[in-house]
Amino acid sequence: SAVISQKPSRDICQRGTSLTIQCQVDSQVTMMFWYRQQPGQSLTLIATANQGSEATYESGFVIDKFPISRPNLTFSTLTVSNMSPEDSSIYLCSVQADLSGNTIYFGEGSWLTVV
Amino acid sequence: QKEVEQNSGPLSVPEGAIASLNCTYSDRVSQSFFWYRQYSGKSPELIMSIYSNGDKEDGRFTAQLNKASQYVSLLIRDSQPSDSATYLCAVNIVTQGGSEKLVFGKGTKLTVNP
Repeated sequence: SAVISQKPSRDICQRGTSLTIQCQVDSQVTMMFWYRQQPGQSLTLIATANQGSEATYESGFVIDKFPISRPNLTFSTLTVSNMSPEDSSIYLCSVQADLSGNTIYFGEGSWLTVV
Repeated sequence: QKEVEQNSGPLSVPEGAIASLNCTYSDRVSQSFFWYRQYSGKSPELIMSIYSNGDKEDGRFTAQLNKASQYVSLLIRDSQPSDSATYLCAVNIVTQGGSEKLVFGKGTKLTVNP
């Protein structure tokens, strides 16, 4: 499986600010995804990060709020913009990195608290 | 109907017992099914994947898939306190646009009592 590193691992953010989360993979991967896990909830897909083009967002998530970049096959960023307490969540970078193309592996997550 | 449903638990079993975790899904064309384990304060960790009907065994874990019933389960034999975690069922769903995405259930919290 791929080794996925996320930064920051944890942060406390002020309301109205923006924070960019970085995701670095130790090998080239085709698919990278960003998930959100709100307190006590399961994982929800935010978007698929497409290399060299705009991300594909899921229903309920928009580019203005969650801009995503993916400049190459090993790196992606997710920005949480104009944060409110409702954005307090774990944000998880994940990759599809096996021969069958189906299995998803997760980074350690970025735990954000908005105050 | 939600896309992926799990018995919410919490589920509590004694050490050494078999823990049974269940999951149903709504998309009949799904072909890939996964179980993830998530310890408190940690990210999900893949423990099993299954693609064909029947059983798949890996150590103390057995995944069972029945596509006709749209049902997938995870059995943990000889449960250990270290198995105490939330178990997430995930199913590969084909969207209306033809792309695929992994959809997660809400998870079942398992506690194994010494």
